[in-house]
Amino acid sequence: EDQVTQSPEALRLQEGESSSLNCSYTVSGLRGLFWYRQDPGKGPEFLFTLYSAGEEKEKERLKATLTKKESFLHITAPKPEDSATYLCAVPSNSGYALNFGKGTSLLVTP
Amino acid sequence: KAGVTQTPRYLIKTRGQQVTLSCSPISGHRSVSWYQQTPGQGLQFLFEYFSETQRNKGNFPGRFSGRQFSNSRSEMNVSTLELGDSALYLCASSLRHSQETQYFGPGTRLLVL
Repeated sequence: EDQVTQSPEALRLQEGESSSLNCSYTVSGLRGLFWYRQDPGKGPEFLFTLYSAGEEKEKERLKATLTKKESFLHITAPKPEDSATYLCAVPSNSGYALNFGKGTSLLVTP
Repeated sequence: KAGVTQTPRYLIKTRGQQVTLSCSPISGHRSVSWYQQTPGQGLQFLFEYFSETQRNKGNFPGRFSGRQFSNSRSEMNVSTLELGDSALYLCASSLRHSQETQYFGPGTRLLVL
């Protein structure tokens, strides 16, 4: 069964305190891993797509990395505006749709 | 390029009623997928439309249906609303299929009383 697990469920950081969010998956034959950011009451905002182990992508204070079993979203020197829920997703083995994890709720305090 | 738009943004309905939600994808995107998001279940796939045809369907009852028009705009309909249908309904568009990068709209918040 396809499974996407994100940890931790919630994370509280002080401004400037770097950390990492984890996304582990069990789908076979990975055909992409997607990271999204979601603010309360809004739709998910696309951040990154990773396709192969060892691949890395960066955007401002965020860097996403991918291994054969998991992906990390590293947040360097976060600011309060980085507070959001971060979702990861992988293509389902069913051949359609994305399987989303439950997300990590990040709160960055001043 | 304009993003995905959804209307209405908020809806309040009572049990037994039906509701229609609308989605306009990014220009040039032909695949439109619908998701239901609730605090307990997270994002769950409802269905995907491509070229006016439902291509895939998630594990939801037949009360949930949709359609796509020739301009790729899509609607979803929920009949005989239940309290448990209260959720954020999200539309996402992609170029060709639901397993590539999807771009989401702002969602429609449905409250069933």
